[in-house]
Amino acid sequence: GAGVSQSPSNKVTEKGKDVELRCDPISGHTALYWYRQSLGQGLEFLIYFQGNSAPDKSGLPSDRFSAERTGGSVSTLTIQRTQQEDSAVYLCASSLAGTPYEQYFGPGTRLTVT
Amino acid sequence: GENVEQHPSTLSVQEGDSAVIKCTYSDSASNYFPWYKQELGKGPQLIIDIRSNVGEKKDQRIAVTLNKTAKHFSLHITETQPEDSAVYFCAAVVSGNTPLVFGKGTRLSVIA
Repeated sequence: GAGVSQSPSNKVTEKGKDVELRCDPISGHTALYWYRQSLGQGLEFLIYFQGNSAPDKSGLPSDRFSAERTGGSVSTLTIQRTQQEDSAVYLCASSLAGTPYEQYFGPGTRLTVT
Repeated sequence: GENVEQHPSTLSVQEGDSAVIKCTYSDSASNYFPWYKQELGKGPQLIIDIRSNVGEKKDQRIAVTLNKTAKHFSLHITETQPEDSAVYFCAAVVSGNTPLVFGKGTRLSVIA
């Protein structure tokens, strides 16, 4: 079946602009995660959605970052007033209810802020 | 919170040799330890995992061992092949709806 998809695959934006990154999780997966991967680094947790519960935003690095999940499916990560240090690959993952550990990742969006 | 350390950061082996990647974690409550393989331009792919009630798990050429007392776990790849070349990440998570905490990754190069 279809895996996690993300769009766009690449995004180049000017410093100060806002960007929106999209994630389509695997159908039926109720948990959705956003991670950030900077060059040569591991994956840094950003935000987590589980069903209708309030999202866990503890990993968001600043108030310029926000995310929403509509209808319990598609999620959008928004970065306002982008900075050069926001340049990274943004990865989305999803998992089934009851198996929060087995996360399946999308291909990521490579964001470059010039 | 949980902290995961991963070593080495880079590893080169000859085709056919074994490769071992080691991780340590800090939170003794962690009970799930997955390993992910990330190829260039792709997202991480789960290749094997182990839970705290098991000491070792094997899947063909890949095995993972867990030592809860020492709080470390390792990935073993035998009979390495060029297609094993990738970045490998270990992770740990505490029971419940919490995100994975990842190591910084190991870039494995298998030389033909």
